Amino acid sequence: KQEVTQIPAALSVPEGENLVLNCSFTDSAIYNLQWFRQDPGKGLTSLLLIQSSQREQTSGRLNASLDKSSGRSTLYIAASQPGDSATYLCAVLNSMDSNYQLIWGAGTKLIIKP
Amino acid sequence: NAGVMQNPRHLVRRRGQEARLRCSPMKGHSHVYWYRQLPEEGLKFMVYLQKENIIDESGMPKERFSAEFPKEGPSILRIQQVVRGDSAAYFCASSQWQASYEQYFGPGTRLTVT
Repeated sequence: KQEVTQIPAALSVPEGENLVLNCSFTDSAIYNLQWFRQDPGKGLTSLLLIQSSQREQTSGRLNASLDKSSGRSTLYIAASQPGDSATYLCAVLNSMDSNYQLIWGAGTKLIIKP
Repeated sequence: NAGVMQNPRHLVRRRGQEARLRCSPMKGHSHVYWYRQLPEEGLKFMVYLQKENIIDESGMPKERFSAEFPKEGPSILRIQQVVRGDSAAYFCASSQWQASYEQYFGPGTRLTVT
């Protein structure tokens, strides 16, 4: 059974720092992995989707990597800004059984201090 | 092309009432997924539907919850005789094809049971 873990659960850093959020998953048979952002009381914003055949994806100050064999993904945020404060969620789509269910991590709550 | 639409965005129900949550998928999408996010928890898969078919409802509570996706109109998630534990954010997603394709999320419906 696929399990997704995100570490740390919460992170507070000063503005301007580069930071890394971690996501690990127990079953490497995945189609893709996706990073989302969720602001308090709001919906989900898709940030980056990495297909299983890809190693990384970049969008602006965000870079997500995927190491399928070790069951890990990282989300790198460069030059963090207070507007980056949010909860970041990682989700994987299995390639085997139930290959339509996104399996979610519990999220990392990020606070960027001005 | 409008995104996934959900309504209402906020719904307040008293214990014992019924809640109906609606989801209109993106144009051209015939696959719908419902996820639930309980307070301070990660998202969990509830049900996967195609037009007029329930493909997988393994994540739905056995009682009081039902879902449909009729030939015409939005997908409906129905919760009968709501209890306080049903208070959560309910997210709908849609995809163009099944399985390995990207799911696009709506803004969610926040249900509060008083």
